[in-house]
Amino acid sequence: QLVLTQSPSASASLGASVKLTCTLSSGHSTYAIAWHQQQPKKGPRYLMKVNSDGSHSKGDGIPDRFSGSSSGAERYLTISSLQSEDEADYYCQTWDTGLRVFGGGTKLTVL
Amino acid sequence: QVQLQESGPGLVKPSETLSLTCAVSGYSMSGGYYWGWIRQPPGKGLEWIGSIYYTESTYYNTSLKSRVTMSVDTSKNQFSLKLSSVTAADTAVYYCARDGKSSSSFYFDSWGQGTPVTVSP
Repeated sequence: QLVLTQSPSASASLGASVKLTCTLSSGHSTYAIAWHQQQPKKGPRYLMKVNSDGSHSKGDGIPDRFSGSSSGAERYLTISSLQSEDEADYYCQTWDTGLRVFGGGTKLTVL
Repeated sequence: QVQLQESGPGLVKPSETLSLTCAVSGYSMSGGYYWGWIRQPPGKGLEWIGSIYYTESTYYNTSLKSRVTMSVDTSKNQFSLKLSSVTAADTAVYYCARDGKSSSSFYFDSWGQGTPVTVSP
């Protein structure tokens, strides 16, 4: 069964960097994923797609501070030079034939 | 730039059918992408409901499949969601989004702002 696992919460200081993790279920380690950001009281926004080889392609207007990477079954979203507006929920999402799956989301707090 | 806008009743009675429409602008729905519905119950995460192609080919979440119907109207460049026999558990913000195009990548790259739907007598 295709499942994405995310830590419920993360925190980091203003100006620092943070790395969020999304883990693919067993047998699905080659799958690509997408990262979406949901700021408080807003709809989600597509950030980037991250492939199994670590390459990534960002959506229009996504700052260079956001980057993606991979290791095994884990897909990462790194945010550098954290700003207050980065405080949000972050969801990973993947797909298979006729199926779309979301992770449970990580709530990022900027201290 | 593609834009999506959900519309529909904000209040639906239990056992009735929830009906929503998503108007797409800035891109033709016949352009080769799938189009999807996603919902988010209060305080919870995102749940995929289903996706539709302009040819009316559909994929539904197996947990909702018996109650979901999606359709597309290319002449109006919009697509719709019907969810039957609703209960309080269907209370959520409903989002429409543009889904994938290629044969290997299906992720939502453009989202609507969402419309809240409450199921209550």
